[in-house]
Amino acid sequence: GENVEQHPSTLSVQEGDSAVIKCTYSDSASNYFPWYKQELGKGPQLIIDIRSNVGEKKDQRIAVTLNKTAKHFSLHITETQPEDSAVYFCAAAKKGIKAAGNKLTFGGGTRVLVKP
Amino acid sequence: ETGVTQTPRHLVMGMTNKKSLKCEQHLGHNAMYWYKQSAKKPLELMFVYSLEERVENNSVPSRFSPECPNSSHLFLHLHTLQPEDSALYLCASSQEASGGNNEQFFGPGTRLTVL
Repeated sequence: GENVEQHPSTLSVQEGDSAVIKCTYSDSASNYFPWYKQELGKGPQLIIDIRSNVGEKKDQRIAVTLNKTAKHFSLHITETQPEDSAVYFCAAAKKGIKAAGNKLTFGGGTRVLVKP
Repeated sequence: ETGVTQTPRHLVMGMTNKKSLKCEQHLGHNAMYWYKQSAKKPLELMFVYSLEERVENNSVPSRFSPECPNSSHLFLHLHTLQPEDSALYLCASSQEASGGNNEQFFGPGTRLTVL
């Protein structure tokens, strides 16, 4: 089955600096890579995703890059703000496969702390 | 109510108790999920229901019993749990459609403590 590794497990950055979180996956058939943000007391929330036919995607201060050959993808947060402090999870799945249920395999999570 | 709701938000139970966790989604989705979140395994998929049929059971112990009576409701029945079952139990839903986004929407979770 799929295995997703995520690094670092904790990340402390100064407000305004950039934060980068990296993930690797094992199943070359995986083609969908979402990133979730989990704030204290809440469930994870999708912030951005990328499919394997795209190398990079950007949404305001957040960007995700994908290297299919190396089987790794990264989340980049620029101009970090205190409200970016949360736990971030990467995940991988095989979309488009005729199997009921969207089975995401999650990484171990990264706790990000943005210091004002 | 909007999104995915879970009740109760907190639950403390003894090892001999029987309790149930409830999840309700108000998004018109056709798939629902139970995840276990703990310090050891941050997001571990337990069960998947699609069109009210269980399609995935990731070797979860039988002391956890899911039930999906309709596409909007999902239950997790608990009995004779162990202290190591203490965790945050998250429910999620998605709309399964070929070529669709299939984004999973999570509820806030139930914090379970087994004494």
